[in-house]
Amino acid sequence: KAGVTQTPRYLIKTRGQQVTLSCSPISGHRSVSWYQQTPGQGLQFLFEYFSETQRNKGNFPGRFSGRQFSNSRSEMNVSTLELGDSALYLCASSGDPRGYGYTFGSGTRLTVV
Amino acid sequence: AQTVTQSQPEMSVQEAETVTLSCTYDTSESDYYLFWYKQPPSRQMILVIRQEAYKQQNATENRFSVNFQKAAKSFSLKISDSQLGDAAMYFCAYRRMEYGNKLVFGAGTILRVKS
Repeated sequence: KAGVTQTPRYLIKTRGQQVTLSCSPISGHRSVSWYQQTPGQGLQFLFEYFSETQRNKGNFPGRFSGRQFSNSRSEMNVSTLELGDSALYLCASSGDPRGYGYTFGSGTRLTVV
Repeated sequence: AQTVTQSQPEMSVQEAETVTLSCTYDTSESDYYLFWYKQPPSRQMILVIRQEAYKQQNATENRFSVNFQKAAKSFSLKISDSQLGDAAMYFCAYRRMEYGNKLVFGAGTILRVKS
């Protein structure tokens, strides 16, 4: 059974550009969550999608957005990149409607220069 | 807002010995989930153990067990017979029970295992 797949694994972008990250959940999982991990702020929740609907959103500026497709794959987009957006972006999927079990991907390391 | 505190930035343990990682949390909820995740250098967060707050019995998964003290809002992780492969960053996390709720993570504890 394939795990949570995040692409790309590494990304280097220039300040002011935009970026799209992709997450393919475990087959059958309908919930996908995104987290940002930085040395200074730790792990912070970005948003969660379930059946193409955003159920919850963290405290991030509107430059951060996401969506989920009918096959449960999810993308997150960051527009007008800032140096502070450099981070590891982790995606997690869950097939448990209670959210009791999350499986994480290996993340996308985004560097903004 | 819920918060999770891991007061030990770094811990060391000798191979084959036992180590306990501390975690406290703050919540006004009565029903919730608690988790310990392991993040090795590969970056993938791996679920180590989980506990439902309404269950009084402490969760156990092979060499990993927790000491869940609901009244004290404490959720420590005990690793027995430590192995080199246990070396990683360990995160304690909290989640409310309602759908769509986020995981709230602590700052993490780096565990080093000495051979």
